[in-house]
Amino acid sequence: NAGVTQTPKFQVLKTGQSMTLQCAQDMNHNSMYWYRQDPGMGLRLIYYSASEGTTDKGEVPNGYNVSRLNKREFSLRLESAAPSQTSVYFCASTEDRGDEQFFGPGTRLTVL
Amino acid sequence: GENVEQHPSTLSVQEGDSAVIKCTYSDSASNYFPWYKQELGKGPQLIIDIRSNVGEKKDQRIAVTLNKTAKHFSLHITETQPEDSAVYFCAAIDYKLSFGAGTTVTVRA
Repeated sequence: NAGVTQTPKFQVLKTGQSMTLQCAQDMNHNSMYWYRQDPGMGLRLIYYSASEGTTDKGEVPNGYNVSRLNKREFSLRLESAAPSQTSVYFCASTEDRGDEQFFGPGTRLTVL
Repeated sequence: GENVEQHPSTLSVQEGDSAVIKCTYSDSASNYFPWYKQELGKGPQLIIDIRSNVGEKKDQRIAVTLNKTAKHFSLHITETQPEDSAVYFCAAIDYKLSFGAGTTVTVRA
């Protein structure tokens, strides 16, 4: 099992460009999450999907959109990137809400 | 929503000594408290967790304690080793996982 995979690992964008971060899990988990990690701020939840077909906003959703494509895949889209979105992005999945979350290796995004 | 505070932000210990990290949470409905370890360039990995019906849990050199009345929980690492150097995050869950800001632990040889 690969667990949670994310692509790309690194990305540099110019302000205003768009891109989609991909996440997939092979553990048959119901719930998937997108976090951003900034120095001194821990991980903050952007969006989550409690089950296939549902998505909800987290703590910092502005400037992002998500798609739960199927049970395995959960993508995060930046429509018009801003320098404030420079961060490391982590995808995670869990069988159910009160269970261990498994994290992917992260995507390091720089917006110039 | 849940608010998790974590202290200290940095911790330096001599190899073989103990390390303690403390967290407080705000939502009394939270019932699951995991601890994650993050090594440089990697995603967080669960090292231990505790549920609200348990006061203490141990796994080899790692232990977690929970005081639901006071709304705080702590991570204890005994006999620290260089490989324990990492960033540690506490978290609490009500409808979603809320993380503390992290503690950078450095174990000096």
